[in-house]
Amino acid sequence: EIVLTQSPGTLSLSPGERATLSCRASQSVSSSYLAWYQQKPGQAPRLLIYGASSRATGIPDRFSGSGSGTDFTLTISRLEPEDFAVYYCQQYGSSTGTFGQGTKLEIK
Amino acid sequence: EVQLVQSGAEVKKPGESLKISCKGSGYSFTSYWIGWVRQMPGKGLEWMGIIYPGDSDTRYSPSFQGQVTISADKSISTAYLQWSSLKASDTAMYYCARHVAVTTGYYFDYWGQGTLVTVSS
Repeated sequence: EIVLTQSPGTLSLSPGERATLSCRASQSVSSSYLAWYQQKPGQAPRLLIYGASSRATGIPDRFSGSGSGTDFTLTISRLEPEDFAVYYCQQYGSSTGTFGQGTKLEIK
Repeated sequence: EVQLVQSGAEVKKPGESLKISCKGSGYSFTSYWIGWVRQMPGKGLEWMGIIYPGDSDTRYSPSFQGQVTISADKSISTAYLQWSSLKASDTAMYYCARHVAVTTGYYFDYWGQGTLVTVSS
């Protein structure tokens, strides 16, 4: 089973700043199989990025994904107040999937 | 409009059985996998397994294999997650989600609202 490790655990930034979230896999992941989600308190997760770099429908272009192999990144170019939430990466491979443990993006 | 509507919150005792549901609408239910995701209180997301309602092909995470059963009834566009003997550690929010499996990506695109399961004596 592939383990995904996200860093940092908590990221404290101000609105307008750039956020860079990391997701590292214990073994190589096909880019097609890597996705990112946002979860706000009391809500279901929301798909942001699939295929490592494709934005889901309705996701603002300030969100971007990149990476390949074992290292993937979610970047939020200019933070808006509504972006403060928990972010998860997720992979699917060998007929099973895993999530990273999450990065909490909080207001500084 | 794609919708996944889950059954309501449950309060159960250890050792009891439980089956929760997830009804899909607004798309071809038999053409997409449906998955289940656990979120224990204050914790992260855990991938449990997926089922293809078209032929009931099911894949489980090793962590959940043998602990739960995922099933589907395509005649009523509904997927299920069930336990035969609940434990206190099964207390969690459980989400169903539509799982897309295409060459451009494998991911959960639509999510249910979640079903809170509480197991307590």
